[in-house]
Amino acid sequence: SAVISQKPSRDICQRGTSLTIQCQVDSQVTMMFWYRQQPGQSLTLIATANQGSEATYESGFVIDKFPISRPNLTFSTLTVSNMSPEDSSIYLCSVEVSGMDGYTFGSGTRLTVV
Amino acid sequence: GENVEQHPSTLSVQEGDSAVIKCTYSDSASNYFPWYKQELGKGPQLIIDIRSNVGEKKDQRIAVTLNKTAKHFSLHITETQPEDSAVYFCAAARNSGYSTLTFGKGTMLLVSP
Repeated sequence: SAVISQKPSRDICQRGTSLTIQCQVDSQVTMMFWYRQQPGQSLTLIATANQGSEATYESGFVIDKFPISRPNLTFSTLTVSNMSPEDSSIYLCSVEVSGMDGYTFGSGTRLTVV
Repeated sequence: GENVEQHPSTLSVQEGDSAVIKCTYSDSASNYFPWYKQELGKGPQLIIDIRSNVGEKKDQRIAVTLNKTAKHFSLHITETQPEDSAVYFCAAARNSGYSTLTFGKGTMLLVSP
């Protein structure tokens, strides 16, 4: 399966600021997925990032709040903008390498907004 | 869209006992059903998955069963060990490529020595 490196692993941020999370994969992948996991909750898909096109956002998530970049087939970033304490969550990226089974997840970014 | 229900939300067993976690799904077009284990402070790790063309799959102490007619699938862990303690998530997708996973709410499994 693919190996995902996600940075930072954790951060504490002031409200009103923005944080950019990086996701690097050791294989070329068509689709990358960004999830949010609120404390003690399940995983909720934020958006799907396809290289060379705009990300597709799920209901309840908008590009102004969660802009995503996908400059190449191994890298993506998710920015959490104008943060509030409600944005405190774990943010995870996920991929499925074409031809292989299963979706692999990064180790996550634990964000606390104060 | 797809809706995945997972039960129980918490499960406590003694070491050596078996544990069973059950999920139901709503979208009859779903055909890929993975299970993830998430330990504290870590990302979800795929432990086993099953596709709709098979009814059961085993990997050592872990097995998954699928009933497409009833739209439910289950995770079975035998001879549980303390290191099996974690949160387990089931998920469903229409296919394993270019589709998105819908997750259950998770089951916290506690294995007592």
